[in-house]
Amino acid sequence: QVQLVQSGAEVKKSGSSVKVSCKASGGTLRSYGINWVRQAPGQGLDWIGGIIFVFGTTNYAQKFQGRVTITTDESTNTAYMELSSLRSDDTAVYYCARVPYYDILTGYLDYWGQGTLVTVSS
Amino acid sequence: QSVLTQPPSVSGAPGQRVTISCTGSSSNIGAGYDVQWYQQLPGTAPKLLIYAKSNRPSGVPDRFSGSKSGTSASLAITGLQAEDEADYYCQSYDSSLSGVVFGGGTKLTVL
Repeated sequence: QVQLVQSGAEVKKSGSSVKVSCKASGGTLRSYGINWVRQAPGQGLDWIGGIIFVFGTTNYAQKFQGRVTITTDESTNTAYMELSSLRSDDTAVYYCARVPYYDILTGYLDYWGQGTLVTVSS
Repeated sequence: QSVLTQPPSVSGAPGQRVTISCTGSSSNIGAGYDVQWYQQLPGTAPKLLIYAKSNRPSGVPDRFSGSKSGTSASLAITGLQAEDEADYYCQSYDSSLSGVVFGGGTKLTVL
């Protein structure tokens, strides 16, 4: 059974950056993609972007282009999402989720991490 | 404003059937892209419920079913149980945005 374990909660200042990790156990991510989704307090789900794990091919939502970088480390079976120029409205729970068959844009998210709360303060 | 439109809330009594709609457009659901549904219990991560319109992952009861017609999709839950009380989200791909899109979410209350 695959498990995605994310790094712990972060408190950041406006204008800084945050890097969240997502480590897979119970299986390799080589045949999959990883998508990142966030959820602001009391709000719905918002897609940030995704990466095809073994190729490093990325797609980002237009609203995050230029501020987000998604990477992988095959040696540790870990994906990362870094968001820069943080603002107060970036305060949210950030989730990683696995996508089968490299289908990061049109596919489904079958396993999710537990979420990482990022709080941005001024 | 979400690209995919869901009702904010629905409710039903135990044992009843409820449906949750997800209305899109010609650049997402209407273009033939797959629709997925997720269930999010309070304080937890979303869980995949239905994928590619009507397929259920292993472990998801057959009380949950999905359908699609034109630019809309629906999630039906039969034999409603108290444990079904959660938020439900639809998801697809939008070619105009070139990205993954979610509905705004629907809160299901079991009366």
